[in-house]
Amino acid sequence: EVQLLESGGGVVQPGESLKLSCAASGFDFPNYAMIWVRQAPGKGLEWVSTISGGGGNIWYAGPVKGRFTVSRDNSKNTVHLQMNNLRDGDTAIYYCAKGDITAAASRFDHWGQGALVSVSS
Amino acid sequence: QSVLTQPPSASGTPGQRVTISCSGSNSNIGTNPINWYQKLPGTAPKLLIYTNSQRPSGVPDRFSGSKSGTSASLAISGLQSEDEADYYCATWDDSLRGVVFGGGTKLTVL
Repeated sequence: EVQLLESGGGVVQPGESLKLSCAASGFDFPNYAMIWVRQAPGKGLEWVSTISGGGGNIWYAGPVKGRFTVSRDNSKNTVHLQMNNLRDGDTAIYYCAKGDITAAASRFDHWGQGALVSVSS
Repeated sequence: QSVLTQPPSASGTPGQRVTISCSGSNSNIGTNPINWYQKLPGTAPKLLIYTNSQRPSGVPDRFSGSKSGTSASLAISGLQSEDEADYYCATWDDSLRGVVFGGGTKLTVL
C-alpha cells in the first residue's frame, strides 16, 4: 500500500524559513517523480515543484522559484521542500504526491494528507 | 488567472449527467495528456481520470473523460450526492515547463 506522510508544517513569520518532509512507502521510490502541490485557503490547487526519480530534473512554479528548494533522499524514501523567505501568500496546505516514472507529467496517483503552513506576522 | 480554464461551478440533480470543461492551448492540453482530480473538503485530492480518459482502479465508470485538440471534458453520469466536490483538470505545459491546474469547478448536487 502506497503511503505518503508529510511533516514539518507550522506557523512562521514573513521572511522566515520552514522545511517540509514527506516520507514515502509502498512503492519503488527512486523510480518515481515526487511532486509538491499546495492549496491556499479558499483557493484552488497550485503546483509547486516536481523532482524526478533520480533527482536530476527539478522544476518550480514561478511564485516559488528562487525561494523554495526541493530535494530527495532515495536511501530514506523521503522528499523535502525547503521554503525560505516565506510570504503571506505562501500560506496553504502543502501536499506531497507520487508522480509518474516520466517526471514531466501531471498524473499524481497517491497523495499525502497535507501539511499546513501558515505565514503571519 | 489559471492557464487552464474551467467553469467555476456546475450543478445537477441526482441521476443526471453533467459535464465539466477544461480549455487550454497548444503548449499544454494540445500536446500533453490531461488528468482530472476530485477534491473533497478536508481531504487530499484524488486522481479521478488519467491520460485523458483512463479510470484508476476503484473509480466508478460513471466518471469519464475525453480530450479534443486544446480542450478536455469530464463527464459524470448518474449523478450522486457523494459526487458533490471540487474538480480540477491538470496537465504539463511545455512552454511554462511545469504542471498547470485549472481553477477548479465546484459541483453541486441539487
